[in-house]
Amino acid sequence: DAKTTQPNSMESNEEEPVHLPCNHSTISGTDYIHWYRQLPSQGPEYVIHGLTSNVNNRMASLAIAEDRKSSTLILHRATLRDAAVYYCILKDQAGTALIFGKGTTLSVSS
Amino acid sequence: EPEVTQTPSHQVTQMGQEVILRCVPISNHLYFYWYRQILGQKVEFLVSFYNNEISEKSEIFDDQFSVERPDGSNFTLKIRSTKLEDSAMYFCASRGQGAHGNSPLHFGNGTRLTVT
Repeated sequence: DAKTTQPNSMESNEEEPVHLPCNHSTISGTDYIHWYRQLPSQGPEYVIHGLTSNVNNRMASLAIAEDRKSSTLILHRATLRDAAVYYCILKDQAGTALIFGKGTTLSVSS
Repeated sequence: EPEVTQTPSHQVTQMGQEVILRCVPISNHLYFYWYRQILGQKVEFLVSFYNNEISEKSEIFDDQFSVERPDGSNFTLKIRSTKLEDSAMYFCASRGQGAHGNSPLHFGNGTRLTVT
């Protein structure tokens, strides 16, 4: 799987938007961009994924750069419950396993 | 919403003993996975299972590990002779068919294995 680079940690205030960046300069044309998060003492949780176009769901938005070498996970209004480790993962169509990196630890303050 | 359930939530065993970690994936899912997370470290892939056979495994998944789907609902991970370094949180996950193999993985809340 192609490599992703994320900041080790980020901080946010409650009810403010959060933009979590991910660089993936070696992404291939068939790689999907997946985001998962892991709340304290829980298993990873799916957030969103996309290929080329920006994606929205009830949890977040995914903005993908035109050249696909970077993407940004957007939490529109952070809550205390959004404090977690966020993982940006590339996955091609053929493989079935997600390979996790270290992710970004998001802290949210009230 | 359907969930992946794992039992037990915490298992303590002595070094050299066999352990079986149990998982009930979401009922219509076809792909099953085990991951582990040593305390303070990243989530590591162990093995994936599809159509009653292993489809991928990592270097961690050596001969001490095995997986089985003994019936239509359970998915188990067996460690034959546990070592201290097997102490970790073990997560089971499953996913449906999905398009291009990219349907989301659903994870359980894990079994904490402590080897003494």
